[in-house]
Formats: sequence, structure tokens, C-alpha cells
Amino acid sequence: DAKTTQPPSMDCAEGRAANLPCNHSTISGNEYVYWYRQIHSQGPQYIIHGLKNNETNEMASLIITEDRKSSTLILPHATLRDTAVYYCIVRYPSGGSYIPTFGRGTSLIVHP
Amino acid sequence: EAQVTQNPRYLITVTGKKLTVTCSQNMNHEYMSWYRQDPGLGLRQIYYSMNVEVTDKGDVPEGYKVSRKEKRNFPLILESPSPNQTSLYFCASSLLSGSKNEQFFGPGTRLTVL
Repeated sequence: DAKTTQPPSMDCAEGRAANLPCNHSTISGNEYVYWYRQIHSQGPQYIIHGLKNNETNEMASLIITEDRKSSTLILPHATLRDTAVYYCIVRYPSGGSYIPTFGRGTSLIVHP
Repeated sequence: EAQVTQNPRYLITVTGKKLTVTCSQNMNHEYMSWYRQDPGLGLRQIYYSMNVEVTDKGDVPEGYKVSRKEKRNFPLILESPSPNQTSLYFCASSLLSGSKNEQFFGPGTRLTVL
């Protein structure tokens, strides 16, 4: 599975959009991009995933560049409860040597 | 309710006293794994299992054992715990087929080895 690079920390004002970048320049053709978040010391929670098209769900939007070497998770209207560590990982969705690497993620602080 | 459960949630023990942390999922997932989380190091995988009786080492397997005798359970065994195994542990599970296959995580077990 390809490795990812994320900024260690970011901050955002409540009500504004939070844009979290992720670099995955070694991603291969069939690997998906997944985003998780971890609030305080709870278990990580799945947010969204995508292959090459932009994706949106009730939690967030995922923008993947055309060359798939980077992506951005967008929280359109950040709230204080979105303060968490956000992990970007890339992996094959099934089979293979399935060892997702979470890395250190980005610590997002949403302030009033 | 679909979930991953871990027990105990908190444990304080002493060096060398064998312990087991249980993990159970009710979603019929093939894949299960254990992670440890330490400050500044993110989540690191200890062991994983692709199905019953199939286990393999992750990034940091030293000092740990696992077993997968049933699909729903994946216990983590510390035969002789040491202080450097003081950490927050997470169990996770997922399907292995399909295109989503997100991992579901348990609530965590905070282990302190004195």
C-alpha cells in the first residue's frame, strides 16, 4: 500500500470550511483513498473513500486530483465537534497484503 | 447494533503477568486487526487476520500473540508484559470483498504495565 503525507496540524474557525490535504504520490491505479478521524482517544471512525472521482456524503467531501497523487478532505461547515485527528490512507479495498498504514494524521482544531 | 467490543477497557498490571485483551465483532467480518497507539506515533498495526486460523504480523508484533479460532473473536495475548507495552490498543474489523470495506474500530483498551 502507498504511503501518505499529511500536515501534522491545522486549525479552522467554526462555521468555515476545513480543507485537509493529503499527498499520496506513489498511489497505484487500483488503490483507493480512505479518510478516518479519531476524536480524542476513541476508536477511529470512517469518513469517506474514493478511487478517482470526487465523492460526497453526509459527513464530508473528498476531492482527488486528476493524477491521483493528492487529495483533499473538505468539512464544509466545521463545528467544534470536528476537532479530531484525521487520517488519510491508501489501500486496495480487498485482498492482497492488506496492511493499512495510518501514520500520524492531521490534528484539526476548530476554534470558536 | 453492529459493533466491535473490547475487554477490558482499562487494565493496570505488573511486568511479567500474562494477560489477554478480548476483541469481538458481530458483523461477520473476515478481516480483524490489532493496533497500538502511542503519543506522536499514530496507529501502528500489531497483528492482523484475514480469516479463521489465518494470522500475520503487522509492523510491531514483538511481545504479542494472537489467535483466530472463531470468525468473531480475535484476542490479543501478552505472555510477559513489559512497561514498553503500556499503550492504547484498538481492535478493528472489516469485510474483504466489495469496494468500501471500511474498518470498524473498537472503543480501545488502555493498558498500563508497571
